[in-house]
Amino acid sequence: SAVISQKPSRDICQRGTSLTIQCQVDSQVTMMFWYRQQPGQSLTLIATANQGSEATYESGFVIDKFPISRPNLTFSTLTVSNMSPEDSSIYLCSAHTAGIPVNTEAFFGQGTRLTVV
Amino acid sequence: AQTVTQSQPEMSVQEAETVTLSCTYDTSENNYYLFWYKQPPSRQMILVIRQEAYKQQNATENRFSVNFQKAAKSFSLKISDSQLGDTAMYFCALNTGTASKLTFGTGTRLQVTL
Repeated sequence: SAVISQKPSRDICQRGTSLTIQCQVDSQVTMMFWYRQQPGQSLTLIATANQGSEATYESGFVIDKFPISRPNLTFSTLTVSNMSPEDSSIYLCSAHTAGIPVNTEAFFGQGTRLTVV
Repeated sequence: AQTVTQSQPEMSVQEAETVTLSCTYDTSENNYYLFWYKQPPSRQMILVIRQEAYKQQNATENRFSVNFQKAAKSFSLKISDSQLGDTAMYFCALNTGTASKLTFGTGTRLQVTL
């Protein structure tokens, strides 16, 4: 199993500013992902955080808006840049432990609740 | 592309009763895995149960079991002897071999009442 620590747990930010969310896993993991969950909605994948290379973004998400870093196998950050109220959401970090990602359990952080005012 | 559909936005069940949450999916892959995740108010996503598509036997985990109908692309979750702690959002999710990432349904909010 894996324990994921995500911080901050919540923040209120001014529009036009940026927020960096950190995700720390207590063991080495093969793949890390970042999701957005708008209030009362499902999880939408933002990107796959690749260790040592640029993240792979899903349709509708771009690196300039959501830069992601993954310097090693246990840590990743997501930055929400130039925020607007539409970015108010919960952001979740997820990771798969060693093995074939398709059939391994995905572990999740507790999420960061972001409010942009 | 993969899709996951949960047609029940909200469900309610009395404590100790049984409830079934529906999920249908679509994928062109032959090798895939299906999951049910629970998200209580704490926001922590918790794996409830997992089903491998190549297995005909339905997965069970204590009070939780699934009815996996591969031809119909249906994957429902049955919760027996419902408990107050089962109150949460339940998400059905699909992971395929090529994508190696989860596609989630829209969720079903389950309320367990006394």
